[in-house]
Amino acid sequence: DTGVSQDPRHKITKRGQNVTFRCDPISEHNRLYWYRQTLGQGPEFLTYFQNEAQLEKSRLLSDRFSAERPKGSFSTLEIQRTEQGDSAMYLCASSVAGRTGELFFGEGSRLTVL
Amino acid sequence: SQQGEEDPQALSIQEGENATMNCSYKTSINNLQWYRQNSGRGLVHLILIRSNEREKHSGRLRVTLDTSKKSSSLLITASRAADTASYFCATDATGANSKLTFGKGITLSVRP
Repeated sequence: DTGVSQDPRHKITKRGQNVTFRCDPISEHNRLYWYRQTLGQGPEFLTYFQNEAQLEKSRLLSDRFSAERPKGSFSTLEIQRTEQGDSAMYLCASSVAGRTGELFFGEGSRLTVL
Repeated sequence: SQQGEEDPQALSIQEGENATMNCSYKTSINNLQWYRQNSGRGLVHLILIRSNEREKHSGRLRVTLDTSKKSSSLLITASRAADTASYFCATDATGANSKLTFGKGITLSVRP
């Protein structure tokens, strides 16, 4: 069990470019969550999947953001036409539906938009 | 939106002292959890307390929950320099399907 892994760990991009983050959850976990965290704040919920179904999306997730979990395993989070306000740490977490509710987080992908 | 509010925002103590952190929340919950985050890293789950529990222990951690006051406290006993981190409370609101809502966090500094 290697835990939740996220790639890349750091991404620096210019405003207007597209970026994609990948998350590989713990293998037997059927729920996968994306959170965004800005400096000095707690994580804010973006979206979550149960298997391949995207069950909820936050209003924070504008139409420039899209997340997928095509085979119910890894997930990608794409941000199109990045803005400076998108600079944040993007955290992925996974869990097993019906268990205690504890989330297992990855180390995060830090995005800097210049 | 963030449901939990932790108090204080920052805490600095000497190694060996106890650290007490408080969290208040707004809606009914299934459980409340505390997480720890070292600078620039992901969050690590510390302890979970269900809505029908009042107190729980895990090693040097003690968490209490008062659902009538919608508040929780986390006590770290005999603190160590390695406990220096940010601590977040997170609530699993009733009907939220285990989608956790986090507070802004408490920065704990333990001086050696």
